[in-house]
Amino acid sequence: DVVLTQTPPTLLATIGQSVSISCRSSQSLLHSNGNTYLNWLLQRTGQSPQPLIYLVSKLESGVPNRFSGSGSGTDFTLKISGVEAEDLGVYYCMQFTHYPWTFGGGTKLELK
Amino acid sequence: EVQILETGGGLVKPGGSLRLSCATSGFNFNDYFMNWVRQAPGKGLEWVAQIRNKNYNYATYYAESLEGRVTISRDDSKSSVYLQVSSLRAEDTAIYYCTRGRGDYWGQGVMVTVSS
Repeated sequence: DVVLTQTPPTLLATIGQSVSISCRSSQSLLHSNGNTYLNWLLQRTGQSPQPLIYLVSKLESGVPNRFSGSGSGTDFTLKISGVEAEDLGVYYCMQFTHYPWTFGGGTKLELK
Repeated sequence: EVQILETGGGLVKPGGSLRLSCATSGFNFNDYFMNWVRQAPGKGLEWVAQIRNKNYNYATYYAESLEGRVTISRDDSKSSVYLQVSSLRAEDTAIYYCTRGRGDYWGQGVMVTVSS
């Protein structure tokens, strides 16, 4: 199975600070069709996961553009340019290039 | 508006079975793969199963840890997907989420508790 390793596990930030989360894969997520199926999700406390980014860098509808995704192959990054209070929660990367789909262990974003 | 609603959770004794349902609306269900993902209390997300659509002969895929104990199915006429779980164990206690396609829409989840 593909293992996704997220760092850091916990991220302390102040409002307005820019932060980044890393997601490293145990194998390339480049599919034979040329797509890289790497998503980012946010799960606020007590809520279901909310999709943020798909195909590495494409924003889901309604997601603010302070969120951005980048990377290729096995190394991916989610950046939040100016954290807002509503961004707090646990961030997960997720891959579906390979079966079974797998998720990273999560990064908890908290206020400093 | 896309809506996904899971039902069928509850308290089940070890060794028991449960059938979860996921009713959807607001999109052409026939066009999409559907998935179940679960989350044990205080833990991360775990993909459980996927069922493809008619174009892909309703092919199914399962997490190896659950294979043999779970069956995913769908009823396109009802825009619904189902998850049958048998031989339930304490470690199956989790919120079970139904998700569309590439995970662009998620339901609110349904809690399954396995306990005597």
